[in-house]
Amino acid sequence: EDKVVQSPLSLVVHEGDTVTLNCSYEVTNFRSLLWYKQEKKAPTFLFMLTSSGIEKKSGRLSSILDKKELFSILNITATQTGDSAVYLCAVNSGGSNYKLTFGKGTLLTVNP
Amino acid sequence: NAGVTQTPKFQVLKTGQSMTLQCAQDMNHEYMSWYRQDPGMGLRLIHYSVGAGITDQGEVPNGYNVSRSTTEDFPLRLLSAAPSQTSVYFCASRTGNQPQHFGDGTRLSIL
Repeated sequence: EDKVVQSPLSLVVHEGDTVTLNCSYEVTNFRSLLWYKQEKKAPTFLFMLTSSGIEKKSGRLSSILDKKELFSILNITATQTGDSAVYLCAVNSGGSNYKLTFGKGTLLTVNP
Repeated sequence: NAGVTQTPKFQVLKTGQSMTLQCAQDMNHEYMSWYRQDPGMGLRLIHYSVGAGITDQGEVPNGYNVSRSTTEDFPLRLLSAAPSQTSVYFCASRTGNQPQHFGDGTRLSIL
């Protein structure tokens, strides 16, 4: 059975702090790892990672994948209150049948 | 483009009632999926489709039916609603190896 484990499950920080969210996985036939941000409604896509060691960056957010150790991290620098959300990690392990397995998410709260 | 549209946004049912959650996408995506999201459980795959006329079961398919008669639409049917099906339901679509696009969700309560 495929597994995706995120840690911590929740985190409270102050504006300006830097946070690191973790995602480890055990899946067959790994294809890619995806990060999503979920506020009140639909998850919105942040990053898709397929290769080890290549950092993806978007503004204050960055992510990297380690396929040998089977984990990924999502970094957020200089956090803002608008970063408060649930961050979801998902792994695509589909082969010919696309299958996306989600972790339980990390609830990030950024206080002013 | 509207993206992925789900209706209704909220619904309350009584145990034993049936209903259909609608999902439509206007991006000509071949892949569509239904997930449920429960507190502390993340998103779990119910059913998915790789194209019109083709559907398959996900992780938690019991109590749900789907069909895919057109590329655009992927309705989810609850045949006899149970309190355990109280959840937030998300429909998603994608093309090729691109990330999934999610609808805004349907919040369903079964009394």
